[in-house]
Amino acid sequence: QAQLLESGGGVVQPGGSLRLSCEASAIRFMTSGMHWVRQAPGKGLEWVAFIQFNEFDKRYADSVKGRFTVSRDNAKSILYLQMNSLRVEDTALYRCAREGNTRQVGTLDIWGQGVLVTVSS
Amino acid sequence: QSALTQPASVSGSPGQSITISCTGTNSDVGTYNHVSWYQQHPGRAPKLMIYDVTNRPSGISDRFSGSKSGNTASLTISGLQSDDEAHYFCNSYRSDGNVIFGGGTRLTVL
Repeated sequence: QAQLLESGGGVVQPGGSLRLSCEASAIRFMTSGMHWVRQAPGKGLEWVAFIQFNEFDKRYADSVKGRFTVSRDNAKSILYLQMNSLRVEDTALYRCAREGNTRQVGTLDIWGQGVLVTVSS
Repeated sequence: QSALTQPASVSGSPGQSITISCTGTNSDVGTYNHVSWYQQHPGRAPKLMIYDVTNRPSGISDRFSGSKSGNTASLTISGLQSDDEAHYFCNSYRSDGNVIFGGGTRLTVL
């Protein structure tokens, strides 16, 4: 059964760093683009980042550009999100999701349950 | 990088039909037929319901349908059922290669 499992969340002070992981199973990870999407408590979905299957293409929301870095290890079927210079407004549930369209246009067809990141002093 | 515009809430009675709109710009919804809709029940991950404006993934009921006119995409749910009560989000591909979501719509089944 297709599954995405995030880990690495927690509480961090403003200015701190965290690295999130997303372990994939049964989703053809090696040939799939992957996204990170976050959801602040009680709020809507916000797209964060995308990485192409071969890492040639990486895209970021303006709100995280220069602070967050997306990467992947296809041999281990793991997606990463390195988050630096964290701000209070980065507090959210972070989910990874698979890009379901070969044209990589934002069709997110498989989602993880998410991991909570809290930025607070 | 403003979100796509959705109504905050809609409601309908069982058996009725409702439509949720998703308004963007010529840089996203108006130019690209890559609009998707997601259903999210409380505490759960979003679920893809419609992709590329009108297409349903395997296993999604044909009570769910999508359309687009100009800069506005729409999700219609016919024959409302209690389990349809959830939040619904749209997203679209953008001209800069990024993805943009709508603010979400809470559907209440009366």
